[in-house]
Amino acid sequence: DVKVTQSSRYLVKRTGEKVFLECVQDMDHENMFWYRQDPGLGLRLIYFSYDVKMKEKGDIPEGYSVSREKKERFSLILESASTNQTSMYLCASSLASGTSRAYNEQFFGPGTRLTVL
Amino acid sequence: GQNIDQPTEMTATEGAIVQINCTYQTSGFNGLFWYQQHAGEAPTFLSYNVLDGLEEKGRFSSFLSRSKGYSYLLLKELQMKDSASYLCAVRTGGYNKLIFGAGTRLAVHP
Repeated sequence: DVKVTQSSRYLVKRTGEKVFLECVQDMDHENMFWYRQDPGLGLRLIYFSYDVKMKEKGDIPEGYSVSREKKERFSLILESASTNQTSMYLCASSLASGTSRAYNEQFFGPGTRLTVL
Repeated sequence: GQNIDQPTEMTATEGAIVQINCTYQTSGFNGLFWYQQHAGEAPTFLSYNVLDGLEEKGRFSSFLSRSKGYSYLLLKELQMKDSASYLCAVRTGGYNKLIFGAGTRLAVHP
């Protein structure tokens, strides 16, 4: 079974703090993704990575950065947290595109609910 | 632009059948996914369609019409545990990126 774990289920930070959200997957997946999920807006892609040290912006990258130094770990960084970054953050992973697996779905972690005060 | 629409909320009765619709307008199409998400939990994969037609998997079926930009998820013999949000997502191109709809919250009543 694929397992995607996130470092915290709940996190409370103050405005201006630097915040690290960690995600680890144990199935040797090439692709990893960070989303935020807000009521009425669904999941929106922040950043993704298709290989170690490779990253691409998603739809809402402003205010965020990422790091992927090892294949199994993908970190999301909020350089200076703001109240509008209060949200549920979900990490996901998948095999690379073009694999033999027909649907190649993304597997999600349990999420981190971040509150910025 | 990229747009995926699905109803915000639906209610149904235990034992009944419910159909959740999804329409999409995206710049590319390389498959449509349905995920189930219980409150406070991670989304989990339900189904995948890339060709037109119906895919059946137990009590759940999913249909796709690429020419109409339309899909539906059909849930039969509803159970209380089916109360959850159902997310429609389109894979639009490389790197296995997905665009998600806002989700449909389904409440199943006795």
